[in-house]
Order: sequence, then structure tokens, then C-alpha cells
Amino acid sequence: EVQLVESGGGLIQPGGSLRLSCVASGFTFSGYWMHWVRQVPGKGLVWVSRINSDESITTYADSVKGRFTISRDNAKNTLYLQMNSLRAEDTAVYYCTRAYMTDDAFDIWGQGTMVTVSS
Amino acid sequence: DIVMTQSPDSLAVSLGERATINCKSSQSVLYRSNNKNYLAWYQQKPGQPPKLLIYWASTRESGVPDRFSGSGSGTDFTLTISSLQAEDVAVYYCQEYYSTIFSFGPGTKVDIK
Repeated sequence: EVQLVESGGGLIQPGGSLRLSCVASGFTFSGYWMHWVRQVPGKGLVWVSRINSDESITTYADSVKGRFTISRDNAKNTLYLQMNSLRAEDTAVYYCTRAYMTDDAFDIWGQGTMVTVSS
Repeated sequence: DIVMTQSPDSLAVSLGERATINCKSSQSVLYRSNNKNYLAWYQQKPGQPPKLLIYWASTRESGVPDRFSGSGSGTDFTLTISSLQAEDVAVYYCQEYYSTIFSFGPGTKVDIK
């Protein structure tokens, strides 16, 4: 079964750091672009970041540029999102999702992991 | 940046009736070299992640019932549910993947009347 499973969310104080993980199974992870998308509960979807198959291309939304770092370990079938200098407005459910090409729709999504930034 | 808008914000349709959702992009998402519209539709049910329904504006994802259809080109797109079923209650999002921002629309909530 094709699956993405996120972990690493939780409650963190403003200014803190957190690393999210997304483990892929059931498909050739190294062959896909991977993305992070976030959603404030009850609100819409917002794209956060993407990475290509060999990590040579990474892109970020302006709202997280310079604070978040996306990476992947193809040997471990795992996608990461290192989040530093967290702010209250980063509070959201974070989904990992895949796309076959650089310009493709997101066809498989994980269940998401909740990040709450609060003192 | 491409800005996506959707209308209406919500709609209630009787079971078996047609539901129509509109999506508009602030600039064309039609790539002329391949004549493809870089526009997708997603369905999100409460407590679940989004699910891809339609890509390239009108291509149905594998396993998606044929009562779902997408149309449009350039900047104006439509998702149609031809005969609403109870399990279609959800929020529907359009998304452009023409740019590297991958903007989503604000969503349209579909309920049963």
C-alpha cells in the first residue's frame, strides 16, 4: 500500500525548533518530488516547501524561507522538515505529499502531524 | 504570485442533484507548449487529508467516481458533481501547479440540503 506517515509534531514555545519526519512506503520514494503543505485547523491549505529527488532543488514559501529546511534521506525513505525560530502563526497540521514531476499534482498525502507554537 | 479564488464559499445541494464549484486564477495556468492546464481539484473530508480528484483540469484520478468532472481552461475552471451523494460532503479545493508556489483556492464547502 502506498503510504506517507508523518511524525514529530507537538507543542513548542515560540522561538523553538522542531523536526518533522515523513516515512514513505509502497513506492519508489527516490523517484518523486516531495512537498510539505500546512493547514491551520478549520482553514485552507498552504504550500510550504518542496524538494526534488536528489535534493539539488529546494523551494520555500516566503513565510518560512530562512527558518525552515526541507531535506530527505532516500536510503531511509524519509522526508524531513527542520523548523527553526517557530512563531505562533506556524501552528498548523503539516502534511507531506508527493508529486511525480516538478509540475504535477499531489497524488498521495499523509495523515498529517499537528504543530502548536505557544507559550 | 498566482492567486486562486473559488465560488461559492459554500453550497447545499439535494441528494442526486448537481453541484458546481468555480475556481479562478489571477493569471493563466495554461502552458501553451503542451496545451495543458496546470490545475488540480482536491476533496477534503473532516479529519482527513486532502484527496486528489482531478488533475490537468479535467483528468480524473484513478478510482474517482465518474460523477466528478473538471472543465475549463486558462483562468476559469469548474468542478461538477453530477449527482451528489452523501459521501461527497466535504471541502473542495482547487490548486495551480503552474508556478512554484502551488497556490490553493480558499475552499468550497459542500453540504446536503
